[in-house]
Amino acid sequence: GQQVMQIPQYQHVQEGEDFTTYCNSSTTLSNIQWYKQRPGGHPVFLIQLVKSGEVKKQKRLTFQFGEAKKNSSLHITATQTTDVGTYFCAGPYTGTASKLTFGTGTRLQVTL
Amino acid sequence: SAVISQKPSRDICQRGTSLTIQCQVDSQVTMMFWYRQQPGQSLTLIATANQGSEATYESGFVIDKFPISRPNLTFSTLTVSNMSPEDSSIYLCSSGEGGTEAFFGQGTRLTVV
Repeated sequence: GQQVMQIPQYQHVQEGEDFTTYCNSSTTLSNIQWYKQRPGGHPVFLIQLVKSGEVKKQKRLTFQFGEAKKNSSLHITATQTTDVGTYFCAGPYTGTASKLTFGTGTRLQVTL
Repeated sequence: SAVISQKPSRDICQRGTSLTIQCQVDSQVTMMFWYRQQPGQSLTLIATANQGSEATYESGFVIDKFPISRPNLTFSTLTVSNMSPEDSSIYLCSSGEGGTEAFFGQGTRLTVV
């Protein structure tokens, strides 16, 4: 079945350092979505990428969708303690637009 | 956007009992989804709840264990039946239309003892 893997599984950075998580799908995706889940919270939508090679920025966050539409990345510049949480990528099930397969997630810890 | 109210937020239940989780959406949505998230893990889709028809279950999940109701376009319930400690997890409902962003309820943290 469709699998979406993320690396690293966990990363601990000092505040001010950069952070990147990588997302790889076993199948081509029509779009990729990114979610953030704070500790004890629920996933919150960050962004959706649709086009091959697309790059979008949200303040310190940069999202990229690979040319083959099978991989994606999220880069955070100059992390802050408010960035703490688990970041998930998610792609539609093959053949079904509404159902999502979530990636394995990357847990980010930021310390002062 | 949609706001989803989910309850209970947490519960501790005896093995062999059942728990029903409710989700109320502040707008009409065609599809609702139920996920399970084990501690420190990703989200696993349990089933898709459609109004007016039976829920569609993913591999490894069955209706007898996780019966779902969807009486209208703003409400759904998930029941975890005949619970065992292995059912201890976070259960999340969500809505999402046609591949757009998904909105989640606050989650139900279930502990079975």
